[in-house]
This record gives sequence, C-alpha cells and structure tokens, in this order.
Amino acid sequence: DIQMTQSPSTLSASVGDRVTITCRASQNIVTWLAWYQQKPGKAPKVLIYKASGLESGVPSRFTGSGSGTEFTLTISSLQPDDFATYYCQQYNTSPYTFGQGTKLEIK
Amino acid sequence: EVQLVQSGAEVKKPEESLRISCKGSGYSFSSYWISWVRQMPGKGLEWMGMIDPSDSYTKYSPSFQGHVTISADKSIDTAYVQWSSLKASDTAKYYCARHEIVSSHFDSWGQGTLVTVSS
Repeated sequence: DIQMTQSPSTLSASVGDRVTITCRASQNIVTWLAWYQQKPGKAPKVLIYKASGLESGVPSRFTGSGSGTEFTLTISSLQPDDFATYYCQQYNTSPYTFGQGTKLEIK
Repeated sequence: EVQLVQSGAEVKKPEESLRISCKGSGYSFSSYWISWVRQMPGKGLEWMGMIDPSDSYTKYSPSFQGHVTISADKSIDTAYVQWSSLKASDTAKYYCARHEIVSSHFDSWGQGTLVTVSS
C-alpha cells in the first residue's frame, strides 16, 4: 500500500495567516492527489484534485501544488470557516489511501 | 443537484448482520463509481473499497476484503455495504462517495451512517 504522511498533525494559526500543510507519499503518485476538508460531524469536501486543480466553488485562497511524492496545500489568508481537519488522498493506486489528517486550530 | 443520501444510524450487537445504503440522485448513477470510507471515532479516513454500479465490479482494500461486501442495484440507484457478523471494532461512521472513473477524486459524499456495535 502507498503510505501518505501529513505534517503537521496539528496547526495553530490566526485569521489572516498563510498556512501550508505537507503531504508525502511513500512512492511516486504523479499528480493523483486530492485534498479534502472535514468539519466535525460532517462529510469531507474536496478542495483540490489532481494535485493543483481547484474544485468548483472552492475559494481561490486554497492552492495545491506538487508532484511525485511531495505535495502541499496552502491557504493564503485564513478565514474563520477554514478551521477544520484536512486530509490528503492518493488515487494513483488501489487501495486509495488517506493521510492521517491535519487539524487546523484557532490560535 | 447531485446527492448521495445514506441510510440512518444503526445500533447492533456483535455477530449481528447489517446492510447500509447510499442512494444517488441528480446524476447518472451507473456512470460513476461509488467508494465506501470508514471513519472510526476520533480517527481519520480509511478507504474500504469501491463498486462500478454499471456492472457491479468491485475492488476492496486488503484491510477490508473478506469482512465487508459492497454491492449495488443500478435499477434503484443505490449502493450498499454489508457485514455478515459485526464486531465491536466496526463501530464507526461510514461514508459513501462517488468518483467519475476508477482513479479519480471523490467529488460528492453522502452524509455518513453511524454504526454502533455494542453488547
């Protein structure tokens, strides 16, 4: 199985901050990577697909980049609605594995 | 509007059987794969397996193979996951999600079904 490792596991930040979450794959997944946002008690919601594609309706402050084994999700200016848990997922090879999650907390 | 609507919460005893459902609407159900994802209490997301509703071809994660069965009835636009003998460790929230091709991101999710297994 491809292992996905996110860092950090927890991130404390303030409204207006720029934050970056990193996701590393244990083998080359080209750009077959998505980022999801999940709020407590709710289903995940896709933000970014194919490493850098912005899902329709998602604010442009969310940016994805990377290829191969290293990927990042950047939020350019945190808004109150952005405090949530973020997961990366590879869909290059079954089983489609997720990172362990990054909880973004209000500082 | 694309929607995946899942069946309601379940409380079961160990060794009981269970089937939960995921009904698609607002799109051509047979044109998208459905995956199932487990989230244990306070934990992350785990991909369980997927089905192509057009022909019921399935693929499972090795971690779930043999313990769950994924199926679909395209005549009623519904996918299922079932257990023949539940364990306490199956307590989790289960999500269905659709994806356009076998290797694609999950662009729409169900609201989740909470399954509690307790004696």
